[in-house]
Amino acid sequence: EAGVTQSPTHLIKTRGQQATLRCSPISGHTSVYWYQQALGLGLQFLLWYDEGEERNRGNFPPRFSGRQFPNYSSELNVNALELEDSALYLCASSAFNQPQHFGDGTRLSIL
Amino acid sequence: AQSVTQLDSQVPVFEEAPVELRCNYSSSVSVYLFWYVQYPNQGLQLLLKYLSGSTLVKGINGFEAEFNKSQTSFHLRKPSVHISDTAEYFCAVSSSNTGKLIFGQGTTLQVKP
Repeated sequence: EAGVTQSPTHLIKTRGQQATLRCSPISGHTSVYWYQQALGLGLQFLLWYDEGEERNRGNFPPRFSGRQFPNYSSELNVNALELEDSALYLCASSAFNQPQHFGDGTRLSIL
Repeated sequence: AQSVTQLDSQVPVFEEAPVELRCNYSSSVSVYLFWYVQYPNQGLQLLLKYLSGSTLVKGINGFEAEFNKSQTSFHLRKPSVHISDTAEYFCAVSSSNTGKLIFGQGTTLQVKP
């Protein structure tokens, strides 16, 4: 069974640009979650999508947004990139009321 | 509000020795508890989970954890560690209907030969 897949593996951007990160969940999982793992800040919850709807949002500014597609894949968009957005972005998926399973992440570097 | 505290940032241990990684949580509602492991340049792998039932939970790679409600703890143990267990370990808590996992700051397990 294929796990959670994320693309790209690495992404390099400059300040002010936009970044788009993609996630494909495990087959049969309808929920997708996004987390940010920044140096010194630990793992922070960003967003939860289920059945195409945003269900919960962490304490991040509105320039962090995303969506979930009918095939349950998801993308995370970060607008007006700032230096402190440099981090590993992890996507997880789960079936209803089941534990979350994580992908290997996208490392976003802002120059 | 929920929170998780991992009491040790680094735990050095010799190969084949036992290890305990400590985790305390706070929550005003019923919680689900998890331990995840992160190897270098990888995502998080689920080690074990407590959802309900028996307080002693067995996971993958020989790890186990005990849920102690009175002490609000969920410590991770392994009777004999291997070099390959060297990694970052995260304790996490969630409650139903929020979707989010709240993580501790992580414990680096360093297994020495």
